[in-house]
Amino acid sequence: QVQLQESGPRLVKPSETLSLTCTVSDGSVSSYGWNWIRQPPGKGLEWIGYISTTGATNYNPSLKSRVTISAGTSKNQFSLKMTSVTAADTAVYYCAGGSEDPNYLYAMDVWGQGTTITVSS
Amino acid sequence: DIQMTQSPSSLSASVGDRVTITCRASQTIGGYLHWYQHKPGKAPKLLIYSASSLESGVPSRFSGSGSGTDFTLTISSLQPEDFATYYCQQSYSFYSFGQGTKLEIK
Repeated sequence: QVQLQESGPRLVKPSETLSLTCTVSDGSVSSYGWNWIRQPPGKGLEWIGYISTTGATNYNPSLKSRVTISAGTSKNQFSLKMTSVTAADTAVYYCAGGSEDPNYLYAMDVWGQGTTITVSS
Repeated sequence: DIQMTQSPSSLSASVGDRVTITCRASQTIGGYLHWYQHKPGKAPKLLIYSASSLESGVPSRFSGSGSGTDFTLTISSLQPEDFATYYCQQSYSFYSFGQGTKLEIK
C-alpha cells in the first residue's frame, strides 16, 4: 500500500518561496502521476499541478507562473516550489497520486495527510 | 479550463435518507469523473472513480452515474459517518474540482 508524507517549513514569509517535499513509501512510484492539491481555510480543493512518471509537468493555469513541481533528489520523492507567496497561499497542502491503471482514468487514490502552511511575517 | 459545478453547495439530511449530489462539467469529459469524501483534518478519500466504479473498501450505499457533462453521486441510506464534504473532480484535461457539497445532519 502506497503511503505519502508531506514535509517542509510550515511558516513562510510573504514574497518568499514555499518549498514542500512528498515522500512516497511502500509502493510503486512508477504506477502514479504525482500531484499537489491545496485547500485554503474555509474553501474547497484546488489542484496545483502534477509530474508524470516521465517527468512531464502540468500546472493549474492560475498558478503556473509561480509553481514548479520536480522529481526529488531521492527516487521516491517529488517537490513543490511556489514563489512570491502571499497570505492567499495559506492553506493545507496535500500530495496525491493519480493512478495510471487504465480503469482509474487518473483518479487520485492515494493521498498524504496534508500539511498546514501559513504565510505570515 | 474545464469548470466543474456541483449542486447543492450544502445539504441537510437525516440518518437513513437517500441523498443525491450532482456535478456538471463545462464541456464533455466522457467518464473522467471521480468523487471524493473529505472530513476535517483528514485527507480526501476516493469513493467513486471513472464516474461509476466503486473504490475498494467503500460501502455499497455509495454509487455514481453519468457521462459526458452530467454526473450524480448517490448515497442510498445515510449513515452517521457519511456527514462530510463531497467533491467531484474531472481528469479529462489536467484536473479540476467542483466547489464541494457539505452534507450536514438535520
